[in-house]
Amino acid sequence: DTEVTQTPKHLVMGMTNKKSLKCEQHMGHRAMYWYKQKAKKPPELMFVYSYEKLSINESVPSRFSPECPNSSLLNLHLHALQPEDSALYLCASSQEGTAGNTIYFGEGSWLTVV
Amino acid sequence: KNEVEQSPQNLTAQEGEFITINCSYSVGISALHWLQQHPGGGIVSLFMLSSGKKKHGRLIATINIQEKHSSLHITASHPRDSAVYICAVMKGAQKLVFGQGTRLTINP
Repeated sequence: DTEVTQTPKHLVMGMTNKKSLKCEQHMGHRAMYWYKQKAKKPPELMFVYSYEKLSINESVPSRFSPECPNSSLLNLHLHALQPEDSALYLCASSQEGTAGNTIYFGEGSWLTVV
Repeated sequence: KNEVEQSPQNLTAQEGEFITINCSYSVGISALHWLQQHPGGGIVSLFMLSSGKKKHGRLIATINIQEKHSSLHITASHPRDSAVYICAVMKGAQKLVFGQGTRLTINP
């Protein structure tokens, strides 16, 4: 199983809503990532979890709250988002970091904030 | 100036042509990744390189660490190769730095 599964595929939410994006992998990877990608731009790193602990937060606004409940799951909790947060959110995983290891991406969650 | 520069930004070719996409980077790296992204959004890892050359099917990737340059080649290109190809380098322990991507269109 070399899949990273993300749900939902599409999400439309209002600025006052609370929602969550979910990511799951069963490859035994100990590093998991959240990226944000705007149209026609490369992905931008948001968070990195290593061994279920947050190791990198790229100064992401607190309206995005990551959570790693166990080694296979990664959540991104969303609250009070702005329309400019509309983007493709990509989850990825790798074996203990990307230095010398293949990184596996999910299909992404398309988020629209209205 | 971006730490990872790709060229060209857009490339249109006819089916069967040999394709080359270039990537130059300005930081020290331990690995370089070539990724493919289709319009649906998902990203697929094509290669991870730390030296030399790798080949997978019609795809070949090379890296020259001294010159800080990598190339991705596609032989006998096909319309299904149409996608965005992204070069990314590992900076620090866990951070990938991405190039702007090359949008490739192969016409039948």
